[in-house]
Parts: sequence; structure tokens; C-alpha cells
Amino acid sequence: GENVEQHPSTLSVQEGDSAVIKCTYSDSASNYFPWYKQELGKRPQLIIDIRSNVGEKKDQRIAVTLNKTAKHFSLHITETQPEDSAVYFCAASPPGTGNQFYFGTGTSLTVIP
Amino acid sequence: SAVISQKPSRDICQRGTSLTIQCQVDSQVTMMFWYRQQPGQSLTLIATANQGSEATYESGFVIDKFPISRPNLTFSTLTVSNMSPEDSSIYLCSVVTGSSAAFFGQGTRLTVV
Repeated sequence: GENVEQHPSTLSVQEGDSAVIKCTYSDSASNYFPWYKQELGKRPQLIIDIRSNVGEKKDQRIAVTLNKTAKHFSLHITETQPEDSAVYFCAASPPGTGNQFYFGTGTSLTVIP
Repeated sequence: SAVISQKPSRDICQRGTSLTIQCQVDSQVTMMFWYRQQPGQSLTLIATANQGSEATYESGFVIDKFPISRPNLTFSTLTVSNMSPEDSSIYLCSVVTGSSAAFFGQGTRLTVV
């Protein structure tokens, strides 16, 4: 089955700096890669996603890049704000699994004011 | 997107008892998913619930321990049976929309004493 690894497990940045979280996946057939933000005590919320036919996607301060050859994808947050502090999860979804998601281990991001 | 209502939001249960968690979606969906998230950990898929057929369980999860019902396209239940303290966790239901994005219920925080 698919195996998703995520690094780093914790990340602290100064407000206004950029944050980068990286994930690798094992199944080259995976074709959908979402990122979720989970604030303490709340449900995971989709913040951005990318499909395997696209190399990069941006949404305001958030961007995701995908390297299919290397089987890794990254989340980039620019101009970080304290409200960006949360746990972020990457996921991969192989085809033929009925839209099952395999999640990374999570990155706890702290933005220091 | 999809609006998912999950209940109860939390419960404290005696060991040896069972708890049934309900998940209601505001639209018809083919598949619903149940995840477990232990404190500070990632999301682990328990099973996929299809309407009209038995649920499909992931390795390490069995029907006798986690029976699932899916009576229609908007509702599912997960029962945690014969509970032990090791079952203390957050349980989340999830659905996938036509865009492939997954949305989550607010979770059920279970404590077994």
C-alpha cells in the first residue's frame, strides 16, 4: 500500500517568514495530494490540493509543488502569521482505492509573533 | 464541499462497554470513511463504508471490534465494542466529494476508564 512520510515533525518560524513542509510517497500511481490544517481540538480542514497532472498550485499565501519523478510534494506558506500555527498533514490518494487517503505523520507549525 | 455532523462529540465510557458514533452528511455520498486519531498522532483509516455492502477494514481493524452500518447514502455508524483504555482516541468520519477532496466530521473524543 501507499506510504507517506512527512518532515519535519515540528517547525518554528518567526512571523513573516516562510515555512516549508515536505512529503514523500511510495506509490507512483497516486494522483491526488491534499494538505490539511488541524487546529487544536478541531477537525482537519482542507487548505490546498494538487493533482498529478500539475506541478504547482497557489492560493494566496499557500502553494504546493509536486515532483512526480521524485515522488515528493511540498507545502509552502509565505508571510506566516500566528493564526497559521497548527498541525499540517499531507496525504496521498492512489487510484483504484475508492478515494482512500494515506496521511503523513503531521507537522506541528508554530509561528512566533 | 459537504457538511458532516458527527455525534457524540465526546464521551467517557467504562471498559467493557460499547459506544456507537453517528455520522450524518448533508448530501448523498457513495463512500464514507472512518478514521482514528490518537493524541498527537496522524489519522489512521479504520474502514470504508459502502452503502448496501459490508464495510472494508484496514489491516489491524476487525468487524467484531468496530462494526459499521451504512443504511443509506447519507448516514453511517461506527461502534467501538468491548472497549478498553487503548481505544481512547478521536474517531472521525469522512466523505469524499466529486472533486476528490475529503471532508471530516468534527470528531468524537472517546475516553475509556
